[in-house]
Amino acid sequence: GAVVSQHPSRVICKSGTSVKIECRSLDFQATTMFWYRQFPKKSLMLMATSNEGSKATYEQGVEKDKFLINHASLTLSTLTVTSAHPEDSSFYICSASADTPSGNTIYFGEGSWLTVV
Amino acid sequence: GQQLNQSPQSMFIQEGEDVSMNCTSSSIFNTWLWYKQDPGEGPVLLIALYKAGELTSNGRLTAQFGITRKDSFLNISASIPSDVGIYFCAGQPTANTGNQFYFGTGTSLTVIP
Repeated sequence: GAVVSQHPSRVICKSGTSVKIECRSLDFQATTMFWYRQFPKKSLMLMATSNEGSKATYEQGVEKDKFLINHASLTLSTLTVTSAHPEDSSFYICSASADTPSGNTIYFGEGSWLTVV
Repeated sequence: GQQLNQSPQSMFIQEGEDVSMNCTSSSIFNTWLWYKQDPGEGPVLLIALYKAGELTSNGRLTAQFGITRKDSFLNISASIPSDVGIYFCAGQPTANTGNQFYFGTGTSLTVIP
């Protein structure tokens, strides 16, 4: 299957600093990528939809100025958590939409654990 | 975004038993996907379904695209301890824009040896 890679897998940052998480589709081009946040034992919460070459579409309640998303190429989307606070600590996951002969499929990255201290 | 209704929410079963879970939606879908997520990792695609009535297997896993196009089922036969994890369904509505998918709330599976 297609591969989506996230980096870093774990990051610890100080409160008030910014941290960037990368999401790469390694063997296919993804015009659309998605960013999620997941709390322990909960389902994925969609934060935003990232389209290559255009502005991301954010879900209601997600601060676009705090969670900056850039999708500059067909294989890379980045999520930057700006002025991070301890409540931003969470598991962040990206996914990429792939067109297959049968239809659309989405593949997930490995996830990134963010801890803000 | 919209969430799909997935049940059961959790299951505790004996090793060797079969497992069934399902997802339902209020609208017609053209794609159903099933994923397994282990703790601290991203979801891994298990089975993808694209046609109403389609029945697809992946080892001991079998998934079906409901003929109403509003539901999907995942079965696991002869469960083993490594089946433990959270299983998610995802669906794409027929009236879809922007490659959007919606997710089930997850089924947490515990297999007792």
